[in-house]
Amino acid sequence: EDQVTQSPEALRLQEGESSSLNCSYTVSGLRGLFWYRQDPGKGPEFLFTLYSAGEEKEKERLKATLTKKESFLHITAPKPEDSATYLCAVQPRYNFNKFYFGSGTKLNVKP
Amino acid sequence: DAGVTQSPTHLIKTRGQHVTLRCSPISGHKSVSWYQQVLGQGPQFIFQYYEKEERGRGNFPDRFSARQFPNYSSELNVNALLLGDSALYLCASSLSRTSGGSDTQYFGPGTRLTVL
Repeated sequence: EDQVTQSPEALRLQEGESSSLNCSYTVSGLRGLFWYRQDPGKGPEFLFTLYSAGEEKEKERLKATLTKKESFLHITAPKPEDSATYLCAVQPRYNFNKFYFGSGTKLNVKP
Repeated sequence: DAGVTQSPTHLIKTRGQHVTLRCSPISGHKSVSWYQQVLGQGPQFIFQYYEKEERGRGNFPDRFSARQFPNYSSELNVNALLLGDSALYLCASSLSRTSGGSDTQYFGPGTRLTVL
């Protein structure tokens, strides 16, 4: 069964304290893996798409990486405005009409 | 450029009523997907429509239905509302349902449905 697990559920960092969020997935062939940021009460905001193992993408303080079983979202020197819930989603190759989301990691960056 | 728009923003209904939620995709996007997000959880897939045809359905009861119009906008209908239907309903659009590669989905702000 296609499944996405994110860890930790919640993460509290001091401003400037770098860390990584994990997204483990079980899927029958991966067509794409997606990272989103979601602020309370709002829709997810697209961050990255990764297609194959070994791929990396960066945007400001965020860097996403992908292996055959998991993806990491690295946050370098975070700021309080990076506080949000970060969601990971996978699109299976053979059932590509569906996106499967994890439950998210709630990040709180304290000044 | 306008992003995905959804209406209404908030909605309060009572058990047994029905509700219609609306979504307009990004200009040029032909695919629309609907998700239900309960507080503290990730979005759960309900439907995907492409070129007015249903292309995917999640594990939701038949009380949930949707359709896509010629202008690619979409409606989600939920009949016989239950307390458990209270959630944020998200609409996402993507450029196309291609045979190769993946389709990034862009989300709207959502409709907050409260069932009393």
